[in-house]
Amino acid sequence: ETAVFQTPNYHVTQVGNEVSFNCKQTLGHDTMYWYKQDSKKLLKIMFSYNNKQLIVNETVPRRFSPQSSDKAHLNLRIKSVEPEDSAVYLCASSSSNTGQLYFGEGSKLTVL
Amino acid sequence: GQQVQQSPASLVLQEGENAELQCNFSTSLNSMQWFYQRPGGSLVSLFYNPSGTKQSGRLTSTTVIKERRSSLHISSSQTTDSGTYLCAMEPPSGSWQLIFGSGTQLTVMP
Repeated sequence: ETAVFQTPNYHVTQVGNEVSFNCKQTLGHDTMYWYKQDSKKLLKIMFSYNNKQLIVNETVPRRFSPQSSDKAHLNLRIKSVEPEDSAVYLCASSSSNTGQLYFGEGSKLTVL
Repeated sequence: GQQVQQSPASLVLQEGENAELQCNFSTSLNSMQWFYQRPGGSLVSLFYNPSGTKQSGRLTSTTVIKERRSSLHISSSQTTDSGTYLCAMEPPSGSWQLIFGSGTQLTVMP
């Protein structure tokens, strides 16, 4: 049963455009994440956010930024997409008590 | 080098056969998790396994933290088990991110 919801699930756009992916979790978790999965299936953390602290992976380009209105939402904005941004972006959440991750369906981005 | 090494990279089975997937960690870890990803689908958490053995249906996860390894055993495989299995480690206290392995691509033939 899905409890981490991502939209859109697919997005095709051109270089230089702005893209936003939305994520909402209904699990009552206090921490949310964005991961990037490349074509080789490698998953890398981009951001981690709870209601107190945003942690940014220093390798993430500045054109990426997380946006959160409350602890149940963490959106991902890409200001000016590049071809190498083509990937699947996965949102996840966890409770700081257990650490177990729950993922959304993923948002596949194709940059032409 | 890679902190999380999964093996095998790919595996093809006949339905009914068993599978053993391995994860080895090059550094110490607090805990680890196993995930399953359907072809083109989302990730599902299979086990959150800080240590010891956990079983869920035909799946068994065994983690030995001191030896920095974990295994996932699939018994009596079914075609619906096909997909990618990923393990991830939680580094020691003070680190904030899960580090994923590159996955095992499992194909179960009818």
